[in-house]
Amino acid sequence: NAGVTQTPKFQVLKTGQSMTLQCAQDMNHNSMYWYRQDPGMGLRLIYYSASEGTTDKGEVPNGYNVSRLNKREFSLRLESAAPSQTSVYFCASSEEGDGYSPLHFGNGTRLTVT
Amino acid sequence: AQTVTQSQPEMSVQEAETVTLSCTYDTSESDYYLFWYKQPPSRQMILVIRQEAYKQQNATENRFSVNFQKAAKSFSLKISDSQLGDAAMYFCAYRRGSGYSTLTFGKGTMLLVSP
Repeated sequence: NAGVTQTPKFQVLKTGQSMTLQCAQDMNHNSMYWYRQDPGMGLRLIYYSASEGTTDKGEVPNGYNVSRLNKREFSLRLESAAPSQTSVYFCASSEEGDGYSPLHFGNGTRLTVT
Repeated sequence: AQTVTQSQPEMSVQEAETVTLSCTYDTSESDYYLFWYKQPPSRQMILVIRQEAYKQQNATENRFSVNFQKAAKSFSLKISDSQLGDAAMYFCAYRRGSGYSTLTFGKGTMLLVSP
């Protein structure tokens, strides 16, 4: 049982380049999330998808787009990468959006923008 | 908006000793859940313990227990008999219980464990 799988694990981009971070879960969860982690800032929510076909902005959505491709997959796209987007990105999923459902996390993608 | 505050950027403990990590939160809700996540150097996020606000009894998971003070909006994590493998970043997190909600994290506390 793989849980939440993120690809790639590491990526280096130049300013202005674009890329898509992929995320897939095999737990049949309804909700999926993208967080970024920066030193001293904890994890901050970028976008989330409460269910297949819906997406919503989180705390720090600027510079990002998302696609909930199907129930399993939720991708994060950087259209024109900036050094401020250097971070570790986590995808997560939960069975439901209520408080009882814990989040299950992928292992993260370390992104460096030069 | 809910906020979660971890006032200790770093804590140190010796093996076999007990350490307490602090967390406070701000909310106007009465129905919510609180979590502690552990992030070792591997970067993996691991759920350590969960507390439901309507339960007065403090949650425990083996060597990990919480001190939940609802009126004070405090949710501390106690690690007993600390082990080298406990060294990690620990995040406190909050999630509203009713309706759809997302998880709000504190900034984290780095726990160092020395032999």
